Amino acid sequence: DIVMTQSPDSLAVSLGERATINCKSSPSVLYSSNKQNYLAWFQHKPGQPPKLLISWASTRESGVPDRFSGSGSGTDFTLTISSLQAEDVAIYYCQQYYNTPRTFGQGTKVEI
Amino acid sequence: QVQLQESGPGLVKPSETLSLTCTVTGGSVSSYYWTWIRQPPGRGLEWIGYIYNTGSTIYNPSLKSRVTISIDTSKNQFSLKLSSVTAADTAVYYCAREVNELFDYWGQGTLVTVSS
Repeated sequence: DIVMTQSPDSLAVSLGERATINCKSSPSVLYSSNKQNYLAWFQHKPGQPPKLLISWASTRESGVPDRFSGSGSGTDFTLTISSLQAEDVAIYYCQQYYNTPRTFGQGTKVEI
Repeated sequence: QVQLQESGPGLVKPSETLSLTCTVTGGSVSSYYWTWIRQPPGRGLEWIGYIYNTGSTIYNPSLKSRVTISIDTSKNQFSLKLSSVTAADTAVYYCAREVNELFDYWGQGTLVTVSS
């Protein structure tokens, strides 16, 4: 199985400040034939299903605010919230879809 | 708009079989992959497995001996059975659609508690 490890487990950020979440995969989720990273980011709020924010490591899904951005390649990835809003309080997960079983990071709780 | 809704008992006794159904509206289960994912209380997300409309399945090896996912295209539903459950199987169970390897639509989730 591909192991996904996130850091930190939680972080507190002031409104309007930047939040940075890291995700490391072991092994790599970069598919050599098409140079794509099979890595997604989800936002999960209590009582709701997870919401897909970013796919292919850096492609923002339709309707996702542009304060959310993803970067990285191979084994190291980052989700950045450039200016934290109150509605961004949630747990964020990275997930690999390079192969099965699909696996998720343990989650990072973002608080104000 | 595609919608998914889980249904089934919220309480299952230890050693019995957990059974859930996901009903899909606004789309057809005859396309794409249909997935079950769970989240134990206070823990992260765990992929259980998926099924394609042909009936072909892939399961998480950690659960493979106890899991069966099936599909009923006539009812536009797919189902999960997990046998010999223990308290460790207590979780919120989600159904989801996988398109181009991405989980794009999810059900709201249903809590299943394993307890006598």
